[in-house]
Amino acid sequence: DAGVIQSPRHEVTEMGQEVTLRCKPISGHDYLFWYRQTMMRGLELLIYFNNNVPIDDSGMPEDRFSAKMPNASFSTLKIQPSEPRDSAVYFCASSFGTVDTQYFGPGTRLTVL
Amino acid sequence: GDSVTQMEGPVTLSEEAFLTINCTYTATGYPSLFWYVQYPGEGLQLLLKATKADDKGSNKGFEATYRKETTSFHLEKGSVQVSDSAVYFCALSANYGGATNKLIFGTGTLLAVQP
Repeated sequence: DAGVIQSPRHEVTEMGQEVTLRCKPISGHDYLFWYRQTMMRGLELLIYFNNNVPIDDSGMPEDRFSAKMPNASFSTLKIQPSEPRDSAVYFCASSFGTVDTQYFGPGTRLTVL
Repeated sequence: GDSVTQMEGPVTLSEEAFLTINCTYTATGYPSLFWYVQYPGEGLQLLLKATKADDKGSNKGFEATYRKETTSFHLEKGSVQVSDSAVYFCALSANYGGATNKLIFGTGTLLAVQP
């Protein structure tokens, strides 16, 4: 079975541009998580969904970040406008029935120039 | 609030050496405890877990015991291999009164195993 799929794997953009990251969770999973990883701040939970409904978005840094999950098989994380400090690896993860055993995607490495 | 503290890296070992990565936690209630591993260029993956005091989680030669009295969950392996080189994350899952339930990760410990 396919794991969590993220696209793109790498994104380079200029400051001020809109960035959209995409995630397809494992089929049947009802939890979906967005994380950000940097050397300075480590791994941060941005937001998570349960059955397509946002449950906790307290980690979303500011209004420039937004996330949606229109259906059980797709989610997006959007940054508008992007800034150099948003440069990081963004991970999507999914799980079934509990937050405990999460399956991570390969990540999207975002570079904002 | 709930938190996880793990030893800073990098930890550099020779192949076949004994590994210990320390992890302690602070939590209200009775959390479940986890070790996740991140190999270079990949996402995290669950290595092992323990859901109650005195439980021992084990996988791929790694072990960790849930010690409630010392609030610890140290990761051990008797003989490391070069292929074990990765970043190891300790984590806990706590239920916040039913409102939200999420994993709290430590900062990660880089392990480098030399041949």
